[in-house]
Amino acid sequence: EAGVTQFPSHSVIEKGQTVTLRCDPISGHDNLYWYRRVMGKEIKFLLHFVKESKQDESGMPNNRFLAERTGGTYSTLKVQPAELEDSGVYFCASSQVFQAPHGYTFGSGTRLTVV
Amino acid sequence: DQQVKQNSPSLSVQEGRISILNCDYTNSMFDYFLWYKKYPAEGPTFLISISSIKDKNEDGRFTVFLNKSAKHLSLHIVPSQPGDSAVYFCAASGIGGGTSYGKLTFGQGTILTVHP
Repeated sequence: EAGVTQFPSHSVIEKGQTVTLRCDPISGHDNLYWYRRVMGKEIKFLLHFVKESKQDESGMPNNRFLAERTGGTYSTLKVQPAELEDSGVYFCASSQVFQAPHGYTFGSGTRLTVV
Repeated sequence: DQQVKQNSPSLSVQEGRISILNCDYTNSMFDYFLWYKKYPAEGPTFLISISSIKDKNEDGRFTVFLNKSAKHLSLHIVPSQPGDSAVYFCAASGIGGGTSYGKLTFGQGTILTVHP
């Protein structure tokens, strides 16, 4: 089975620009999560979708971040306008419904650099 | 307020020896703990987990120990192999106290280097 796919793998943008990250979960996985790791620190939770609904978005830093999952398939995470502190690696993960946490499968991440 | 902490940024061990990675947590609502392994340019990969009702879980060369009273867990790798060199993340989940199942709280990671 195909894994979690994230695109692009790297993105370098200027401060003030907009960037959209995409995540394609494993087919059939209703749960989709976004995480971020900044500057070698801990991996931080951003939000959790169940199908197309936002189950928990308590980790979203501010209103410059917008996540969508139309149709309950792939998800996008838009940062607009980007700031320097948004730089980091953005990970997406997916799991089946009611699967224990170890059922997470992470994508390889998108490394975002804001200059 | 960081609820999961890995206080050792790095650890270096000789091949064949034991690697011990440590993790401390503060949120008493955590009841499930996991270790993830991460290679460069890849996403974290699940390694081993433990429920709070247990104090030990073993899977091959990997053993996780949980001390609930001390809010401490550790990962033992025996024997260590050069291929184990990676970043190891401790993570926790639970219900209540600002956490929920599905939402993992990670530590900062420990870089393990196993020398041949």
